[in-house]
Amino acid sequence: DAGVIQSPRHEVTEMGQEVTLRCKPISGHNSLFWYRQTMMRGLELLIYFNNNVPIDDSGMPEDRFSAKMPNASFSTLKIQPSEPRDSAVYFCASTRQGTREQYFGPGTRLTVT
Amino acid sequence: DQQVKQNSPSLSVQEGRISILNCDYTNSMFDYFLWYKKYPAEGPTFLISISSIKDKNEDGRFTVFLNKSAKHLSLHIVPSQPGDSAVYFCAAMDGSEKLVFGKGTKLTVNP
Repeated sequence: DAGVIQSPRHEVTEMGQEVTLRCKPISGHNSLFWYRQTMMRGLELLIYFNNNVPIDDSGMPEDRFSAKMPNASFSTLKIQPSEPRDSAVYFCASTRQGTREQYFGPGTRLTVT
Repeated sequence: DQQVKQNSPSLSVQEGRISILNCDYTNSMFDYFLWYKKYPAEGPTFLISISSIKDKNEDGRFTVFLNKSAKHLSLHIVPSQPGDSAVYFCAAMDGSEKLVFGKGTKLTVNP
């Protein structure tokens, strides 16, 4: 089975530009999570969806961040406008209903200059 | 305020010996604990978990121990192998689906 797929793997952009990160969860998984990893704060949850519905977005840092899940096999995390402090590795994870172990994608390394 | 703490940023052990990674937590609502392993440029990989109703869970070379009264858990790897060299994250959940991670311990297993 394919794991969680994220694209792009690397993104370099200039401050002020819009950035869109993409995630395809494991087929059959019904919960999807977006995390951000930085040196200072470690791995932190930004938002998660259950059956395509956003459940908790309390970790989203600012209104510049938004996430959508239009269907069970696709989610996006958008940053508009991007700032240098958004530079981090962004991970997507998914899990199947009734289980608690989350499976992570390879991450997107975002650099905002 | 960190709810999950891994106080040792790094650990170095010899191949064949035991590796012990420690984790402390502060939130008494946590009822499920997980360990993840992470290699550079990859996502975290689930390793082993334990429910708060247990005090030990074993899977091959990996054993997790939970001491609820001390709010402490540990991961034992026996015997350690060079391929175990990675960053290990402790994570915890309350009744929700939210994972709270520690900052990780980098394990180096020397041949």
